[in-house]
Amino acid sequence: DTGVSQNPRHKITKRGQNVTFRCDPISEHNRLYWYRQTLGQGPEFLTYFQNEAQLEKSRLLSDRFSAERPKGSFSTLEIQRTEQGDSAMYLCASRTASAGGTDTQYFGPGTRLTVL
Amino acid sequence: AQSVTQLGSHVSVSEGALVLLRCNYSSSVPPYLFWYVQYPNQGLQLLLKYTTGATLVKGINGFEAEFKKSETSFHLTKPSAHMSDAAEYFCAVIADSNYQLIWGAGTKLIIKP
Repeated sequence: DTGVSQNPRHKITKRGQNVTFRCDPISEHNRLYWYRQTLGQGPEFLTYFQNEAQLEKSRLLSDRFSAERPKGSFSTLEIQRTEQGDSAMYLCASRTASAGGTDTQYFGPGTRLTVL
Repeated sequence: AQSVTQLGSHVSVSEGALVLLRCNYSSSVPPYLFWYVQYPNQGLQLLLKYTTGATLVKGINGFEAEFKKSETSFHLTKPSAHMSDAAEYFCAVIADSNYQLIWGAGTKLIIKP
């Protein structure tokens, strides 16, 4: 078990550019979550997948954001036409989908995005 | 709607002193409650969680938390602070049938030598 990994760890981009982040969950975990965290705040839910199906998207996820999990393993989060307000830490978490939902979410180290 | 309030964005204690980080929640359903810790430049790590059963929950690194339904609280404590406890601590509650976590804003724990 190598844990949840995210790449890149840091990304600096200019306003208007597109960026893509990758998350590799723990291999047996079928649920995968994306969160955004800004300085001094807790994580905010963006979206989650069960296997390859995207089951819910937050209203925070504007049309410029898209997430995929094509084979039910790794996931990508793309932000098009980045804005300075997109600067944040993007966190990925995974867990099993047991009944009751109390299984722990395991987090990756995050990707810190800075939009200049 | 579920929500989490953490009292105090920063808490400062001396090394060896009691740590108390406060968390209050609101939930329309029986809550599942979590404490996570985040060290600088690292991801979130689960400290402990309450689902059902015993209301006093013990976690890693000597931390524990007590679920008090009447007070809608889930405060985190540690009898004796260590320098390595300096980090940001987040309280979270399960939101709904999709089992999404709703997070507090976090409390930064500062340990004075």
